[in-house]
Amino acid sequence: DAMVIQNPRYQVTQFGKPVTLSCSQTLNHNVMYWYQQKSSQAPKLLFHYYDKDFNNEADTPDNFQSRRPNTSFCFLDIRSPGLGDAAMYLCATSRGKETQYFGPGTRLLVL
Amino acid sequence: GEDVEQSLFLSVREGDSSVINCTYTDSSSTYLYWYKQEPGAGLQLLTYIFSNMDMKQDQRLTVLLNKKDKHLSLRIADTQTGDSAIYFCAEREGQGNLIFGKGTKLSVKP
Repeated sequence: DAMVIQNPRYQVTQFGKPVTLSCSQTLNHNVMYWYQQKSSQAPKLLFHYYDKDFNNEADTPDNFQSRRPNTSFCFLDIRSPGLGDAAMYLCATSRGKETQYFGPGTRLLVL
Repeated sequence: GEDVEQSLFLSVREGDSSVINCTYTDSSSTYLYWYKQEPGAGLQLLTYIFSNMDMKQDQRLTVLLNKKDKHLSLRIADTQTGDSAIYFCAEREGQGNLIFGKGTKLSVKP
């Protein structure tokens, strides 16, 4: 089945230690998104790639970076995680501006 | 800016109908979505409706759209314990980004 895959499902990192979250998709969608979702809150868009074009949201901290080496993969890099970065990170994909399909998420814990 | 509002909690008995309501502000939204999120999981697309439609039915799910009042609702018929989850309403804004509500936590009591 075509799908959005996120690895790992759970990630524990130390305060200030760089961490990378991974997303891959078999839908062949040209747009990939990264959202941050804190407990009992709505998902918050961090940035997205429209094809190879990177689009950062205005209030996304510089600590968060992203890479998209090819159509299928997209990475979220947190350069120096703080305690406030503990959250669920959701990847989504879409064909152009059409419906977004989400992966299962990666729960990040910062110690 | 755009805003999407939902009530935070809804409790129903198994077998009853659930109605989750949502209001939005962007009158130019073309599509409105309902996503379901179970504990510790990602967002599952439940259904969506195009802005020129009033109603969409898909098995136990019925979506009603009142474009004049910018009001969207999701009705779940014969609610089951497996329907317990958080339901997010979202509107698609002009650039294609989604504006989410805070989510409605549905609790189904046996």
